[in-house]
Amino acid sequence: DAGITQSPRYKITETGRQVTLMCHQTWSHSYMFWYRQDLGHGLRLIYYSAAADITDKGEVPDGYVVSRSKTENFPLTLESATRSQTSVYFCASSVAQAGNYGYTFGSGTRLTVV
Amino acid sequence: DQQVKQNSPSLSVQEGRISILNCDYTNSMFDYFLWYKKYPAEGPTFLISISSIKDKNEDGRFTVFLNKSAKHLSLHIVPSQPGDSAVYFCAATKETSGSRLTFGEGTQLTVNP
Repeated sequence: DAGITQSPRYKITETGRQVTLMCHQTWSHSYMFWYRQDLGHGLRLIYYSAAADITDKGEVPDGYVVSRSKTENFPLTLESATRSQTSVYFCASSVAQAGNYGYTFGSGTRLTVV
Repeated sequence: DQQVKQNSPSLSVQEGRISILNCDYTNSMFDYFLWYKKYPAEGPTFLISISSIKDKNEDGRFTVFLNKSAKHLSLHIVPSQPGDSAVYFCAATKETSGSRLTFGEGTQLTVNP
């Protein structure tokens, strides 16, 4: 199916474990993003990518790693999960200039770190 | 430094009345502003946008107003419907930012039947 899909939808992990959140889009959009949603903070940018093999930090990158070897995939890895990383994570993609069209978001991954 | 702020965490209105959601920004370099709607357990969906060279953009029941001198924008929903109950996020971007959006904290809108 066309669109942007995230997996898993829900994940519970223990403190200190590594966990990877997956994101896949079928439009060949050049830009992809990872945001986290927390109460009182709205959506904060973790990392983004302008194209395959090009990634850059956002507002809250500490503790996260990304890669983008293929245009359609943009996985987010928590190297050693902490309780403060309990959040809802959204992946998004867009064409080059998001101003008129905005992003298309995935359905999110709810991550709980215990 | 919160560059986009939504000062009202929640808003409650009656069905059929107008809903007005507000957003303030501090960065005068922003050149596009957007509104997103988010239902529980779903991703945000794009609703409407406005360029900084305009002061109003309308799409059906939704109108966004931009006041550049006050660095303020608002989303008007007329008439409000129960299905409009959701969290609304204001966002802003500048063309030189590589398509990055900066979001506000969100406002929970509840439309009562």
